[in-house]
Amino acid sequence: KAGVTQTPRYLIKTRGQQVTLSCSPISGHRSVSWYQQTPGQGLQFLFEYFSETQRNKGNFPGRFSGRQFSNSRSEMNVSTLELGDSALYLCASSLGEHAEQFFGPGTRLTVL
Amino acid sequence: GESVGLHLPTLSVQEGDNSIINCAYSNSASDYFIWYKQESGKGPQFIIDIRSNMDKRQGQRVTVLLNKTVKHLSLQIAATQPGDSAVYFCAERSGYNKLIFGAGTRLAVHP
Repeated sequence: KAGVTQTPRYLIKTRGQQVTLSCSPISGHRSVSWYQQTPGQGLQFLFEYFSETQRNKGNFPGRFSGRQFSNSRSEMNVSTLELGDSALYLCASSLGEHAEQFFGPGTRLTVL
Repeated sequence: GESVGLHLPTLSVQEGDNSIINCAYSNSASDYFIWYKQESGKGPQFIIDIRSNMDKRQGQRVTVLLNKTVKHLSLQIAATQPGDSAVYFCAERSGYNKLIFGAGTRLAVHP
């Protein structure tokens, strides 16, 4: 069974640009969560989607948004990039609530 | 590889020794806790979990202890191996699949 895949793996953008990251969950998983990982703040929850609905959102500005498609694939978008948005963005999928979450390898975003 | 955390506390152990990694959690109402292992360049990998109605749970070479009185979790790794070198995170679940992660501890295993 294929694991969680994230594309692209590495991305370099400049301040002010926007970026879209993609996550394909494990087949059959309907819940997708996104996390930001930085050396200073650690792992922080961004949002969670289940059956195309956002059920939970972390404490991030509105520049961070996401969506989930009918096939459970998810994208997150960051607009007006800032230097502080440089981070590893991780996606995790699970069968549903109270189920084990499986993480992808992440997308390393660098904002110059 | 990519750096997970530049200033994480580090636990250094000799190969074959037992390791104990500690974690404090914040929400006394949390009912589910997980330990993850993260190797350089990879996403976190599930190690073991425990529900709040338990004090102890054992897996293969790992044991998690939960002390709800002081909101403390520990992960014990028996006979630590070089392959155990990684950053370890505890996490508590809050709401729909939202995990709140601890700061992490780097485990360095020396031959």
